[in-house]
Amino acid sequence: DGGITQSPKYLFRKEGQNVTLSCEQNLNHDAMYWYRQDPGQGLRLIYYSQIVNDFQKGDIAEGYSVSREKKESFPLTVTSAQKNPTAFYLCASSMHSGGVQPQHFGDGTRLSIL
Amino acid sequence: AQKITQTQPGMFVQEKEAVTLDCTYDTSDPSYGLFWYKQPSSGEMIFLIYQGSYDQQNATEGRYSLNFQKARKSANLVISASQLGDSAMYFCAMRVRENYGGATNKLIFGTGTLLAVQP
Repeated sequence: DGGITQSPKYLFRKEGQNVTLSCEQNLNHDAMYWYRQDPGQGLRLIYYSQIVNDFQKGDIAEGYSVSREKKESFPLTVTSAQKNPTAFYLCASSMHSGGVQPQHFGDGTRLSIL
Repeated sequence: AQKITQTQPGMFVQEKEAVTLDCTYDTSDPSYGLFWYKQPSSGEMIFLIYQGSYDQQNATEGRYSLNFQKARKSANLVISASQLGDSAMYFCAMRVRENYGGATNKLIFGTGTLLAVQP
């Protein structure tokens, strides 16, 4: 089945540690996105990528980094510079970066601080 | 400034009744798109329905319809014949365009409405 796979489902980070969240899609979508969701709030955009080897900062990029070496993959690293990383992280993809296309989401990763 | 506003933190509805979830938006871009997503307690975001700013008719998808009032800048979601499985958070979102590389599908989200369907 085509879809977006995020792993792990739950992740714990120690102080000063970098952690990487995985996002893989087999929908042949060009664009991929990372969002952060805090309790009782909507989603906020961290980074997005329209094509391979290119990505742009979203509204809350500080303390995060990404790479887009393959069309199917868009991993997100939460660095030690992100002082409040506890949140629900959602990855999404869409067919074209231009035009208006719905974004399709993975099941998310819940990150907590130990 | 581009913004999405959902003023209803929570709503109750009886099973089999219809319910309207409110969404207002603010943008100066004449070309925009409005989306509704459902988020069950498990966390995934499920795309429900889309309305383009130039669409002449209101969008419909099964039991979901979008009451699009452009002059009022509102895009309310109507769920007909509510089911217990409709209990979830519902988010309204708007596509915003960026100058970099042309138009993108960047979305901004409202804060959501928690819908509880009662038997």
